[in-house]
Amino acid sequence: DAKTTQPNSMESNEEEPVHLPCNHSTISGTDYIHWYRQLPSQGPEYVIHGLTSNVNNRMASLAIAEDRKSSTLILHRATLRDAAVYYCILRDGRSGNTGKLIFGQGTTLQVKP
Amino acid sequence: EAGVAQSPRYKIIEKRQSVAFWCNPISGHATLYWYQQILGQGPKLLIQFQNNGVVDDSQLPKDRFSAERLKGVDSTLKIQPAKLEDSAVYLCASSLNRALSGNTIYFGEGSWLTVV
Repeated sequence: DAKTTQPNSMESNEEEPVHLPCNHSTISGTDYIHWYRQLPSQGPEYVIHGLTSNVNNRMASLAIAEDRKSSTLILHRATLRDAAVYYCILRDGRSGNTGKLIFGQGTTLQVKP
Repeated sequence: EAGVAQSPRYKIIEKRQSVAFWCNPISGHATLYWYQQILGQGPKLLIQFQNNGVVDDSQLPKDRFSAERLKGVDSTLKIQPAKLEDSAVYLCASSLNRALSGNTIYFGEGSWLTVV
């Protein structure tokens, strides 16, 4: 399974944008890039995913490098509620694959008021 | 839409005792996952079901852990006998269909187990 590399921790100020990087140099052509986050004492929750093109939704934006070896999750205006562990995960999109998520250590985001 | 329900929320047992966790996935979700999350680590997949069949149980310690999903809906994860290192959060998750990579996986709040 292809692996991802993320910084252990990052800090941000409230109401400022946050850019969370993820490296995945061994990504294959069928791997989708998924981001999940885990708030304290809760299960992980879906944030966003993409394959090749940049993606936007109500929670965040996902910027994917042209060679797909890295990506960046962008929170446009961080709030205190965004303090969480953010996981960047490669999910195999091949037909018949289990579709499971393999979590790494993630990035712990602290948001300062 | 109701989320993934898990119970009990918290459990403390002595080592060598047994414990069972229950999960009710989102209605209509064919795929169900059980993850183990040790403090400070990311979740680790224990077992994955597609309807009532096992898709992946390669990381399940089968000498002490068992799981079933008899009617393709609810699932139970059992640990017997428990060891100190089993202290963790046990997360249940579900998705519509494993085959579609874009399908969101929804997680429950988890069952917190402490083995003393």
